[in-house]
Amino acid sequence: EPEVTQTPSHQVTQMGQEVILRCVPISNHLYFYWYRQILGQKVEFLVSFYNNEISEKSEIFDDQFSVERPDGSNFTLKIRSTKLEDSAMYFCASRSWVGSNTGELFFGEGSRLTVL
Amino acid sequence: GQQVMQIPQYQHVQEGEDFTTYCNSSTTLSNIQWYKQRPGGHPVFLIQLVKSGEVKKQKRLTFQFGEAKKNSSLHITATQTTDVGTYFCAGQRQAGTALIFGKGTTLSVSS
Repeated sequence: EPEVTQTPSHQVTQMGQEVILRCVPISNHLYFYWYRQILGQKVEFLVSFYNNEISEKSEIFDDQFSVERPDGSNFTLKIRSTKLEDSAMYFCASRSWVGSNTGELFFGEGSRLTVL
Repeated sequence: GQQVMQIPQYQHVQEGEDFTTYCNSSTTLSNIQWYKQRPGGHPVFLIQLVKSGEVKKQKRLTFQFGEAKKNSSLHITATQTTDVGTYFCAGQRQAGTALIFGKGTTLSVSS
């Protein structure tokens, strides 16, 4: 069964360092998302990406964040200068197309980011 | 901005008891989805509701979408230990926009 894969599964970094989280969405999907979940809390929307550009972003997704689809398969989230409060599980998700019968999001297993 | 509220935050039941979680949106929704997240896992899609007043069933799970398309519920009949996890509702203002998640209801079941 096709799945969304994410690397790394866990990253520990020092405050102020840059971090890149990587995702490989399901191959025929067109919409890509990043969500984050601080431990024990809700799943928060960060950004959606379609047709090689950001289609929507939340207030959390400030200038410290950026996304890229560098090579047609990977979808990356970069945090330029990490803060303690960026510590969370980051989930990548993908979806086929708006007109499909379901808007189901397929989530990866997540990348846990710990900022010290 | 759009907010999705969910209650209760936690629920503990004895195996065999029923369980219900409720979801309310501050705005009218195009559709609502439900996801389950097992401890240590990632959200997994359960169902999508699109029509006003829609009711869908999956075995022991019953999902409802309110007439005004602003609220929804998930009811589990005769819970089992395999039902443990956090159940999230997630709403979209319109198809293609961001899916906004509620805070989730964490269900624990004792045998």
